[in-house]
Amino acid sequence: QKEVEQNSGPLSVPEGAIASLNCTYSDRGSQSFFWYRQYSGKSPELIMFIYSNGDKEDGRFTAQLNKASQYVSLLIRDSQPSDSATYLCAVNGAGGSYIPTFGRGTSLIVHP
Amino acid sequence: EAGVTQSPTHLIKTRGQQATLRCSPISGHTSVYWYQQALGLGLQFLLWYDEGEERNRGNFPPRFSGRQFPNYSSELNVNALELEDSALYLCASSSWGQGSSLNSPLHFGNGTRLTVT
Repeated sequence: QKEVEQNSGPLSVPEGAIASLNCTYSDRGSQSFFWYRQYSGKSPELIMFIYSNGDKEDGRFTAQLNKASQYVSLLIRDSQPSDSATYLCAVNGAGGSYIPTFGRGTSLIVHP
Repeated sequence: EAGVTQSPTHLIKTRGQQATLRCSPISGHTSVYWYQQALGLGLQFLLWYDEGEERNRGNFPPRFSGRQFPNYSSELNVNALELEDSALYLCASSSWGQGSSLNSPLHFGNGTRLTVT
């Protein structure tokens, strides 16, 4: 059973701070990792993906992957109130699977 | 480029009825996925279609079914609706398929909110 675990939160950070969102996965063979943002009542939108160990930066967002620890994280720098949403981690590729497994998401609240 | 489109936006049915949800993928995408997101829960995988065939299905009863048409659009059918089927149904498409890269992300439509009374 492939599992993707996220702390449900809410994670509350002040505006301008760094928000750190974490995700662990159970299947060591997983190959690709995705972060989605979902506003209340809306559909998930892709923020970024990563598939190599290390860091990947895109604007205010940095994804970090550590396959040995089966851990992927998302850092949001200079957090804004508009970043308040649920962040979903998705993992794919274990055993050649094309079915991404999603975590339940972490609720982020950025307060002014 | 048009994104993934889903219809209808909202659907209200009574218990025991059938519901049909529709999805058009991004142009060029051959893979279509269906997920269910019940209130407060995560995304649960329902079905995956690629090149017109069902490639995989999640842990849902047979009354959840669907198909993919030659133009790669897809339909999800839910028969004998139950109250617990009330959820947001999300369709997503991807450029990957059998034999393709696993790194292509899913792109989601705006979803269909199904309410069963």
